[in-house]
Amino acid sequence: GQQVMQIPQYQHVQEGEDFTTYCNSSTTLSNIQWYKQRPGGHPVFLIQLVKSGEVKKQKRLTFQFGEAKKNSSLHITATQTTDVGTYFCAGSNDYKLSFGAGTTVTVRA
Amino acid sequence: SQTIHQWPATLVQPVGSPLSLECTVEGTSNPNLYWYRQAAGRGLQLLFYSVGIGQISSEVPQNLSASRPQDRQFILSSKKLLLSDSGFYLCAWSVTGGKRTQYFGPGTRLLVL
Repeated sequence: GQQVMQIPQYQHVQEGEDFTTYCNSSTTLSNIQWYKQRPGGHPVFLIQLVKSGEVKKQKRLTFQFGEAKKNSSLHITATQTTDVGTYFCAGSNDYKLSFGAGTTVTVRA
Repeated sequence: SQTIHQWPATLVQPVGSPLSLECTVEGTSNPNLYWYRQAAGRGLQLLFYSVGIGQISSEVPQNLSASRPQDRQFILSSKKLLLSDSGFYLCAWSVTGGKRTQYFGPGTRLLVL
């Protein structure tokens, strides 16, 4: 079955620095979605990428979908304490989403 | 607007006891519905999904079951809980077709002792 792998599992970032989390699928995806889960909360949808090579930005967050539609990345610039949480990518091919294990981000002030 | 409810918010149950978690969605019709489990500090494991009333697909073999007695109601059950059933249970919905973005409920934290 479809597997989505996400690295790194943990990301410790100094406030103000940039970081990137990566997502790779074993199969070609129809689309990829990103979610954020704050500590103690539930996952909240951030964005969806559909087209090959697509890039979307949300303020300091940049999302990219690979040309082969098998990988994606999330880059955060100038990390803030509000960025703390776990970021999940999820690949879609049918009714279901296959979630990566998530990247848990902590920020040093 | 659409909302999704889950209850209870937290639950402490002894091993071997039954379980019933409920999820309801408002403001949409014929949604796809999903049950996930998240172990502490881990990712999301899809347990069940449903594309319509009475239609349940199971993703992993276990001692849990799901039912969808009404269009916007999804229930997760167990006859006898195991210690390994502890976790954070999340219900989610999505529209049929389209983007299939999933919207999660607030979750139920289950501790089996």
